[in-house]
Amino acid sequence: DAGVIQSPRHEVTEMGQEVTLRCKPISGHDYLFWYRQTMMRGLELLIYFNNNVPIDDSGMPEDRFSAKMPNASFSTLKIQPSEPRDSAVYFCASSLLEMNTEAFFGQGTRLTVV
Amino acid sequence: EDKVVQSPLSLVVHEGDTVTLNCSYEVTNFRSLLWYKQEKKAPTFLFMLTSSGIEKKSGRLSSILDKKELFSILNITATQTGDSAIYLCAAGAYSGAGSYQLTFGKGTKLSVIP
Repeated sequence: DAGVIQSPRHEVTEMGQEVTLRCKPISGHDYLFWYRQTMMRGLELLIYFNNNVPIDDSGMPEDRFSAKMPNASFSTLKIQPSEPRDSAVYFCASSLLEMNTEAFFGQGTRLTVV
Repeated sequence: EDKVVQSPLSLVVHEGDTVTLNCSYEVTNFRSLLWYKQEKKAPTFLFMLTSSGIEKKSGRLSSILDKKELFSILNITATQTGDSAIYLCAAGAYSGAGSYQLTFGKGTKLSVIP
């Protein structure tokens, strides 16, 4: 398996534009997580899915952020409209079980909003 | 609010030195403590600990959990330049709403110089 695949690797966009980040989890993993990493706040969980259903989105910063998982092999994180403070590295991770197992991380998308 | 604190924030050592990284946590409904190594991009899994006092070992790395004092340490012996990375600690717990979450610390940046 190629691991968790994220695209794009880097995204630079202007404030106010819509940004869509994509993730393909490891096949067979029932859990998918979206994290955001910044120097100030470290790694923060935004939302996670179990079998394509959002379980906890309490980490989503505000209504500008939305995430979907239309099927077991694909998820998107959308920011509309984007703001400079959204600049961060966004990671997608997947795991086989919810707890007591490791989560495998993708390579991340570095988002810069100017 | 769940909290994970790592110390030190940054550490510079010479090759061959032994280092100890610290992680303390305050989380409700704690279930597991995980260590990740983050080099350039994605965090990669090192250890998961669920029981107190049982050391987990992988090569020159080892880790142990103290659930009474709410902390874990990660030891690296005979450090090498390839150990240079950010080491992340995460506490897994069930939230009040019943969802499982990993709360990450901000990491310890280890630099090993020749």
